[in-house]
Amino acid sequence: GAGVSQTPSNKVTEKGKYVELRCDPISGHTALYWYRQSLGQGPEFLIYFQGTGAADDSGLPNDRFFAVRPEGSVSTLKIQRTERGDSAVYLCASSLMGEVNEQFFGPGTRLTVL
Amino acid sequence: AQSVSQHNHHVILSEAASLELGCNYSYGGTVNLFWYVQYPGQHLQLLLKYFSGDPLVKGIKGFEAEFIKSKFSFNLRKPSVQWSDTAEYFCACHGPGTYKYIFGTGTRLKVLA
Repeated sequence: GAGVSQTPSNKVTEKGKYVELRCDPISGHTALYWYRQSLGQGPEFLIYFQGTGAADDSGLPNDRFFAVRPEGSVSTLKIQRTERGDSAVYLCASSLMGEVNEQFFGPGTRLTVL
Repeated sequence: AQSVSQHNHHVILSEAASLELGCNYSYGGTVNLFWYVQYPGQHLQLLLKYFSGDPLVKGIKGFEAEFIKSKFSFNLRKPSVQWSDTAEYFCACHGPGTYKYIFGTGTRLKVLA
């Protein structure tokens, strides 16, 4: 079956612009996660959804970052007024909710803010 | 706050050498522990996981990890590495009721043929 997919694979934008990053989880996975990975670091948690609602958004760095999952499947991470420090690989993962939360990761979107 | 430490940032080994990558976590309660691998140009893949039971966990491709509760450790081992094991390895954990992973900074392994 298909894994987690993310589009675009690469996004180059200018400082101050708005970007949207899309994640398509594994079919049937109710939980969806966004992480950000900067160069030389491990992935850092941003937000996760259980169904359509954001169950934990404590990792979003500021109010320029927002994510939605309106129908409980595809999710979009939105970044307003991008800054050079937002440059990173944005990872999406999905899982079945349960006692052991094994997350399946997508290939990521590499965002470069010039 | 939860944290995960991986002390080896870069490791270089020759083929057939034994591997041990350290992982220590900071969390007071029950944790679930994971090792993920990222091969060059590929996405994160699960190597193995621990949630309860036998503290010695066997994963794919001959990898294993041992959970030592008293040391807050979950070290990854492989008796004999191959060139194809060249990758970046990440340790991660999450506690009960919190589903977000806390990752370590990763260890880049290079295996020389």
